[in-house]
Amino acid sequence: GEDVEQSLFLSVREGDSSVINCTYTDSSSTYLYWYKQEPGAGLQLLTYIFSNMDMKQDQRLTVLLNKKDKHLSLRIADTQTGDSAIYFCAEDGNKLVFGAGTILRVKS
Amino acid sequence: DTGVSQDPRHKITKRGQNVTFRCDPISEHNRLYWYRQTLGQGPEFLTYFQNEAQLEKSRLLSDRFSAERPKGSFSTLEIQRTEQGDSAMYLCASGRQGNSPLHFGNGTRLTVT
Repeated sequence: GEDVEQSLFLSVREGDSSVINCTYTDSSSTYLYWYKQEPGAGLQLLTYIFSNMDMKQDQRLTVLLNKKDKHLSLRIADTQTGDSAIYFCAEDGNKLVFGAGTILRVKS
Repeated sequence: DTGVSQDPRHKITKRGQNVTFRCDPISEHNRLYWYRQTLGQGPEFLTYFQNEAQLEKSRLLSDRFSAERPKGSFSTLEIQRTEQGDSAMYLCASGRQGNSPLHFGNGTRLTVT
Protein backbone atom coordinates (compact mmCIF):
# COMPACT_ATOMS: atom_id res chain seq x y z
CA GLY A 1 0.00 0.00 0.00
CA GLU A 2 0.93 3.62 0.03
CA ASP A 3 3.31 4.77 2.74
CA VAL A 4 5.32 7.94 3.27
CA GLU A 5 8.15 8.19 5.82
CA GLN A 6 9.93 11.26 7.13
CA SER A 7 12.46 11.98 9.83
CA LEU A 8 10.73 13.45 12.87
CA PHE A 9 12.86 16.41 13.86
CA LEU A 10 15.43 18.81 12.44
CA SER A 11 17.15 21.66 14.24
CA VAL A 12 19.20 24.28 12.38
CA ARG A 13 20.68 27.69 13.05
CA GLU A 14 19.20 30.76 11.43
CA GLY A 15 20.90 31.40 8.10
CA ASP A 16 21.91 27.78 7.56
CA SER A 17 20.30 25.48 5.00
CA SER A 18 17.74 22.90 6.06
CA VAL A 19 17.23 19.61 4.28
CA ILE A 20 14.12 17.56 5.01
CA ASN A 21 13.96 14.05 3.60
CA CYS A 22 11.08 11.79 2.67
CA THR A 23 10.64 8.32 1.18
CA TYR A 24 7.46 7.12 -0.48
CA THR A 25 6.20 3.87 -1.92
CA ASP A 26 3.71 4.61 -4.71
CA SER A 27 5.71 4.70 -7.93
CA SER A 28 2.58 5.71 -9.86
CA SER A 29 2.41 9.11 -8.12
CA THR A 30 2.07 11.92 -10.64
CA TYR A 31 3.08 14.69 -8.28
CA LEU A 32 4.87 14.83 -4.94
CA TYR A 33 4.15 17.66 -2.56
CA TRP A 34 5.55 19.58 0.35
CA TYR A 35 3.17 21.24 2.78
CA LYS A 36 3.95 23.45 5.78
CA GLN A 37 1.86 23.55 8.95
CA GLU A 38 2.19 26.18 11.64
CA PRO A 39 0.69 25.64 15.13
CA GLY A 40 -3.10 25.58 15.11
CA ALA A 41 -3.33 26.13 11.37
CA GLY A 42 -4.17 24.08 8.33
CA LEU A 43 -1.67 22.95 5.71
CA GLN A 44 -0.09 25.46 3.38
CA LEU A 45 1.05 24.17 0.00
CA LEU A 46 4.74 25.07 -0.31
CA THR A 47 5.77 23.44 -3.54
CA TYR A 48 5.32 20.33 -5.63
CA ILE A 49 7.21 18.44 -8.29
CA PHE A 50 6.02 16.49 -11.28
CA SER A 51 7.20 12.89 -11.13
CA ASN A 52 9.21 13.10 -14.36
CA MET A 53 11.35 15.94 -13.01
CA ASP A 54 14.53 15.59 -10.94
CA MET A 55 14.64 19.04 -9.46
CA LYS A 56 12.52 22.11 -8.96
CA GLN A 57 13.69 25.42 -7.57
CA ASP A 58 11.35 28.06 -6.19
CA GLN A 59 13.11 31.00 -4.51
CA ARG A 60 14.64 29.61 -1.29
CA LEU A 61 13.14 26.16 -1.83
CA THR A 62 14.75 23.35 -3.82
CA VAL A 63 13.00 20.02 -4.30
CA LEU A 64 15.02 16.99 -5.38
CA LEU A 65 13.35 13.81 -6.57
CA ASN A 66 15.10 10.46 -6.94
CA LYS A 67 12.42 8.36 -8.53
CA LYS A 68 14.53 5.20 -8.59
CA ASP A 69 15.00 5.28 -4.83
CA LYS A 70 11.58 6.90 -4.21
CA HIS A 71 13.29 9.66 -2.25
CA LEU A 72 12.16 13.27 -2.08
CA SER A 73 13.92 16.11 -0.32
CA LEU A 74 13.19 19.75 0.44
CA ARG A 75 16.06 22.15 0.89
CA ILE A 76 15.37 25.54 2.44
CA ALA A 77 18.19 28.01 1.88
CA ASP A 78 18.98 30.75 4.41
CA THR A 79 16.54 29.30 6.94
CA GLN A 80 14.68 31.91 8.97
CA THR A 81 12.89 31.70 12.32
CA GLY A 82 9.61 32.03 10.42
CA ASP A 83 10.38 28.71 8.74
CA SER A 84 9.89 26.91 12.07
CA ALA A 85 6.92 24.62 11.47
CA ILE A 86 6.01 21.03 10.64
CA TYR A 87 6.72 20.00 7.07
CA PHE A 88 4.75 17.23 5.41
CA CYS A 89 5.66 15.30 2.33
CA ALA A 90 2.76 13.78 0.38
CA GLU A 91 2.33 11.53 -2.61
CA ASP A 92 -0.77 11.56 -4.78
CA GLY A 93 -2.95 8.93 -6.30
CA ASN A 94 -6.61 9.82 -6.26
CA LYS A 95 -5.95 11.18 -2.77
CA LEU A 96 -2.92 12.55 -0.98
CA VAL A 97 -1.06 10.26 1.43
CA PHE A 98 0.97 12.16 4.02
CA GLY A 99 3.99 11.37 6.12
CA ALA A 100 3.93 12.02 9.86
CA GLY A 101 5.73 15.32 9.38
CA THR A 102 9.16 16.74 10.22
CA ILE A 103 9.36 19.36 12.94
CA LEU A 104 11.81 22.07 11.87
CA ARG A 105 13.21 24.17 14.68
CA VAL A 106 15.25 27.22 13.73
CA LYS A 107 17.54 28.61 16.41
CA SER A 108 18.42 32.29 16.29
CA ASP B 1 -9.54 33.02 -4.76
CA THR B 2 -10.77 33.26 -1.18
CA GLY B 3 -9.34 29.92 -0.06
CA VAL B 4 -10.98 26.94 1.62
CA SER B 5 -13.16 27.98 4.53
CA GLN B 6 -14.11 25.75 7.46
CA ASP B 7 -16.60 26.38 10.21
CA PRO B 8 -16.43 26.29 13.18
CA ARG B 9 -12.73 26.64 13.99
CA HIS B 10 -13.17 24.98 17.35
CA LYS B 11 -15.87 22.72 18.76
CA ILE B 12 -16.07 21.33 22.27
CA THR B 13 -18.76 18.74 22.84
CA LYS B 14 -19.73 16.14 25.38
CA ARG B 15 -19.39 12.46 24.60
CA GLY B 16 -22.50 11.13 22.96
CA GLN B 17 -23.50 14.38 21.27
CA ASN B 18 -23.71 14.88 17.51
CA VAL B 19 -21.58 17.49 15.75
CA THR B 20 -21.57 18.86 12.21
CA PHE B 21 -18.77 20.71 10.45
CA ARG B 22 -18.94 22.70 7.25
CA CYS B 23 -16.43 23.22 4.48
CA ASP B 24 -16.67 25.75 1.67
CA PRO B 25 -14.14 24.87 -1.04
CA ILE B 26 -12.53 27.23 -3.54
CA SER B 27 -15.36 28.03 -5.94
CA GLU B 28 -14.11 26.45 -9.16
CA HIS B 29 -12.76 23.30 -7.47
CA ASN B 30 -14.80 20.19 -8.10
CA ARG B 31 -12.79 17.83 -5.88
CA LEU B 32 -13.32 17.99 -2.11
CA TYR B 33 -11.60 15.94 0.58
CA TRP B 34 -11.95 15.45 4.32
CA TYR B 35 -8.92 14.49 6.39
CA ARG B 36 -8.43 13.92 10.11
CA GLN B 37 -5.26 14.85 11.95
CA THR B 38 -4.32 13.83 15.49
CA LEU B 39 -1.43 15.22 17.48
CA GLY B 40 1.95 14.26 16.11
CA GLN B 41 0.54 12.65 12.98
CA GLY B 42 0.05 13.62 9.40
CA PRO B 43 -3.44 14.06 8.00
CA GLU B 44 -5.33 10.80 7.36
CA PHE B 45 -7.75 10.53 4.47
CA LEU B 46 -11.42 10.17 5.38
CA THR B 47 -13.46 10.71 2.24
CA TYR B 48 -13.47 12.32 -1.21
CA PHE B 49 -16.09 13.97 -3.44
CA GLN B 50 -15.99 14.70 -7.13
CA ASN B 51 -18.74 17.30 -7.52
CA GLU B 52 -21.66 15.88 -5.51
CA ALA B 53 -20.60 12.23 -5.80
CA GLN B 54 -18.83 10.64 -2.85
CA LEU B 55 -16.26 8.47 -4.62
CA GLU B 56 -14.21 6.99 -1.82
CA LYS B 57 -14.49 6.46 1.92
CA SER B 58 -11.71 5.34 4.23
CA ARG B 59 -12.14 2.47 6.64
CA LEU B 60 -11.46 5.12 9.30
CA LEU B 61 -14.92 6.49 8.53
CA SER B 62 -17.10 4.45 10.86
CA ASP B 63 -20.89 4.27 10.66
CA ARG B 64 -21.08 7.24 13.01
CA PHE B 65 -19.50 9.49 10.38
CA SER B 66 -21.34 10.81 7.36
CA ALA B 67 -20.33 13.37 4.79
CA GLU B 68 -22.43 15.09 2.16
CA ARG B 69 -21.93 17.52 -0.66
CA PRO B 70 -25.48 17.94 -1.92
CA LYS B 71 -25.01 20.56 -4.65
CA GLY B 72 -21.39 19.93 -5.43
CA SER B 73 -20.31 23.09 -3.60
CA PHE B 74 -20.02 23.13 0.21
CA SER B 75 -19.73 19.92 2.21
CA THR B 76 -20.72 18.85 5.71
CA LEU B 77 -19.17 16.20 7.92
CA GLU B 78 -21.36 14.88 10.72
CA ILE B 79 -20.22 12.73 13.62
CA GLN B 80 -22.97 11.05 15.61
CA ARG B 81 -22.62 9.86 19.20
CA THR B 82 -19.17 11.36 19.55
CA GLU B 83 -16.48 9.51 21.45
CA GLN B 84 -13.32 10.83 23.08
CA GLY B 85 -11.29 9.14 20.35
CA ASP B 86 -12.94 11.45 17.81
CA SER B 87 -11.02 14.41 19.25
CA ALA B 88 -8.83 15.64 16.40
CA MET B 89 -8.40 18.36 13.82
CA TYR B 90 -10.72 17.83 10.84
CA LEU B 91 -9.28 19.29 7.66
CA CYS B 92 -11.04 19.98 4.41
CA ALA B 93 -9.21 20.37 1.10
CA SER B 94 -10.27 21.13 -2.44
CA GLY B 95 -8.70 20.83 -5.86
CA ARG B 96 -9.39 21.23 -9.55
CA GLN B 97 -10.04 18.30 -11.86
CA GLY B 98 -7.20 15.81 -12.21
CA ASN B 99 -4.00 15.63 -10.17
CA SER B 100 -3.77 19.33 -9.35
CA PRO B 101 -2.58 20.29 -5.85
CA LEU B 102 -5.00 20.28 -2.94
CA HIS B 103 -5.58 23.46 -0.98
CA PHE B 104 -6.44 23.06 2.68
CA GLY B 105 -8.63 25.04 5.05
CA ASN B 106 -7.54 25.89 8.58
CA GLY B 107 -9.46 22.98 10.01
CA THR B 108 -12.01 22.42 12.75
CA ARG B 109 -10.53 21.31 16.05
CA LEU B 110 -12.92 18.97 17.84
CA THR B 111 -12.57 18.22 21.54
CA VAL B 112 -14.85 15.56 23.02
CA THR B 113 -15.05 15.67 26.81
